[in-house]
Amino acid sequence: QSALTQPASVSGSLGQSITISCTGTNSDVGAYDYVSWYQHHPGKAPRLIIYDVNNRPSGVSNRFSGSKSGNTASLTISGLQAEDEAHYYCCSYTSSSTPLYVFGSGSRVTVL
Amino acid sequence: VQLVESGGGFIQPGGSLRLSCAASGFTFGDFTMNWVRQPPGKGLEWISAIFGNSGHIGYADSVKGRFTISRDNAKKSLYLEMRNLRAEDTAVYYCAKDILIGTGSGFDWGQGSLVTVSS
Repeated sequence: QSALTQPASVSGSLGQSITISCTGTNSDVGAYDYVSWYQHHPGKAPRLIIYDVNNRPSGVSNRFSGSKSGNTASLTISGLQAEDEAHYYCCSYTSSSTPLYVFGSGSRVTVL
Repeated sequence: VQLVESGGGFIQPGGSLRLSCAASGFTFGDFTMNWVRQPPGKGLEWISAIFGNSGHIGYADSVKGRFTISRDNAKKSLYLEMRNLRAEDTAVYYCAKDILIGTGSGFDWGQGSLVTVSS
């Protein structure tokens, strides 16, 4: 099973909104509402920012939002801030037992 | 939730290594636990999961037959036994906890442990 497809890089100016897409198949993204998103600063642990497509864990800014349509999930970051500069990965539960989960290829977000 | 990995290091191809993950801050035995890795400069890859009661175990094809996941609920610990290591197994290995019981909703993560396979 291949990695979910994400744009390699996305950029935006301070205060702007950006959207990162995550395209899979009807065996993963399209099969379940178990899409999660992670923010990853180099050298640190990945941080869960969205789970079950559009839910934010406690403590995550409401500037982060998620959605899904068919086999494509999306993460929107509104009011872009300097600290949002990081790598972002989507992840989906799959209908296969191997792998059980598939991650996206990752998107580097640059704040201009 | 706190997850602390240990056991990483430098190992020659063909060698073996055992990673451990010490968990605290939650009822360990209730949750499915996972290992996820990230090779240098590359993305994340899920490699293995074990249900709370060890009743179900899964592996990615890339490690099946070489890696063994296990857990000790009394010790609140997760393990990954890695054998016949290859250069392509070089990665930061993360211990990851399912955030919800019985769903594939997402993960909480440890800080990671670096494994370097090289001659």
